[in-house]
Amino acid sequence: GENVEQHPSTLSVQEGDSAVIKCTYSDSASNYFPWYKQELGKGPQLIIDIRSNVGEKKDQRIAVTLNKTAKHFSLHITETQPEDSAVYFCATTFGNEKLTFGTGTRLTIIP
Amino acid sequence: KAGVTQTPRYLIKTRGQQVTLSCSPISGHRSVSWYQQTPGQGLQFLFEYFSETQRNKGNFPGRFSGRQFSNSRSEMNVSTLELGDSALYLCASKTSGSNTGELFFGEGSRLTVL
Repeated sequence: GENVEQHPSTLSVQEGDSAVIKCTYSDSASNYFPWYKQELGKGPQLIIDIRSNVGEKKDQRIAVTLNKTAKHFSLHITETQPEDSAVYFCATTFGNEKLTFGTGTRLTIIP
Repeated sequence: KAGVTQTPRYLIKTRGQQVTLSCSPISGHRSVSWYQQTPGQGLQFLFEYFSETQRNKGNFPGRFSGRQFSNSRSEMNVSTLELGDSALYLCASKTSGSNTGELFFGEGSRLTVL
C-alpha cells in the first residue's frame, strides 16, 4: 500500500552539530518529495522539496537527498541552531495525487 | 496577503455530538485539503477539494464529510463524535490542483471529545 516510514521519531543533537532524518516510501511512481517543519502551535511549513529527476538539493543549511532505486530520501540540517527545534515531516505523492506524510520527527537542539 | 484561517481554534464536544470546522484559504487558492493530526499517527489525509469538487478522499469513515463553496472557503463536518476523533484538524490550501504544489497550512482547530 501507499506508505511513508520516517525515522527516528525523536532526535536530540548538540547545537552546531548535524541532524539527519530518513524516510522510505513504498510506491516507485512517487515523483515529488517535500519536507515540512512544524513549530509549536503552528501548522506545518514547507522548507525544501525535491523532484525525482534530481538526486540532491541544498538551501543554505538544509539539504535533501533522494535515492529512487532504494526508495528513500533524507533531510540533512548542518550547523544546527535552537530555532531548528521543531517537528519535521517528510511526504510524497502517490499515484492518486494526495500528499502522504510520514509520522514526524521531533528534533530538539541542545544549547 | 493573509494566510490560511481556521475557525474555531479550540473546541470541546461530547461523544455523539457533531462539529463543523471552517477554513478560509489564501486568496486565489482554489485547492483546499484537510488533515487530521494525532500524536501517534502524524498527519492523516482526510480529503481535498478543488473548485467545489472533492478530488481525493482518505480512509476515514463516512462520519467525516466536507464541502467547498464558490469562494473556495471550505468546511468539514464530523458527526456522531467519538473519543478517538480528538485531534488537531489542519486545513491547507494551494494555488492549483497540481500534486506538486506547496501546501500552505493554517494553525488548525483543536478538537477535544469528552
